Amino acid sequence: NAGVMQNPRHLVRRRGQEARLRCSPMKGHSHVYWYRQLPEEGLKFMVYLQKENIIDESGMPKERFSAEFPKEGPSILRIQQVVRGDSAAYFCASSVGTSGDTQYFGPGTRLTVL
Amino acid sequence: QQQVKQSPQSLIVQKGGISIINCAYENTAFDYFPWYQQFPGKGPALLIAIRPDVSEKKEGRFTISFNKSAKQFSLHIMDSQPGDSATYFCAALNDYKLSFGAGTTVTVRA
Repeated sequence: NAGVMQNPRHLVRRRGQEARLRCSPMKGHSHVYWYRQLPEEGLKFMVYLQKENIIDESGMPKERFSAEFPKEGPSILRIQQVVRGDSAAYFCASSVGTSGDTQYFGPGTRLTVL
Repeated sequence: QQQVKQSPQSLIVQKGGISIINCAYENTAFDYFPWYQQFPGKGPALLIAIRPDVSEKKEGRFTISFNKSAKQFSLHIMDSQPGDSATYFCAALNDYKLSFGAGTTVTVRA
């Protein structure tokens, strides 16, 4: 049973470009969470999605960031017009149920903005 | 604001020694307290977790102590091994949202 998959593992973008991060949850999991980790800091919640629904995006910056989890395919975190401050590791987690207690994390995507 | 405060930031322990990491929280709505282990370049992996109706939970060399009245919990790593060298994060769950501590980098010297 494969774990949470994320790609790409590393992504380099120039300021102003778009970054697209993908997350495939564990088999049987229909709840996806995105977290951001800045250097030397803990993970910060960004958004919680179920299939075709955004449940809570309270941790997402209001501009340039969006997320989706379509009926088919992976969840996508999209960052438009990236800035240097977006450089971070972005982790996706998934869970089976609605309580969200056992969240399994993927290996992360490390975004570097030049 | 940091909802979960974690200390120390780093610690060094000799092989066979005990590593102790402490966390404190304010939000009494938290109802699940996991610890995650993270190696460089990897995602956090769930290590052990506890619910607030239990004061202690032990799994192998890892023990969580939980003090509900003080709103504090801690991770003890017994008989520390070089392979335990990693960053450890405490976390607290409210509904589906995990709040993480800032992390403790543990180095186990052989």
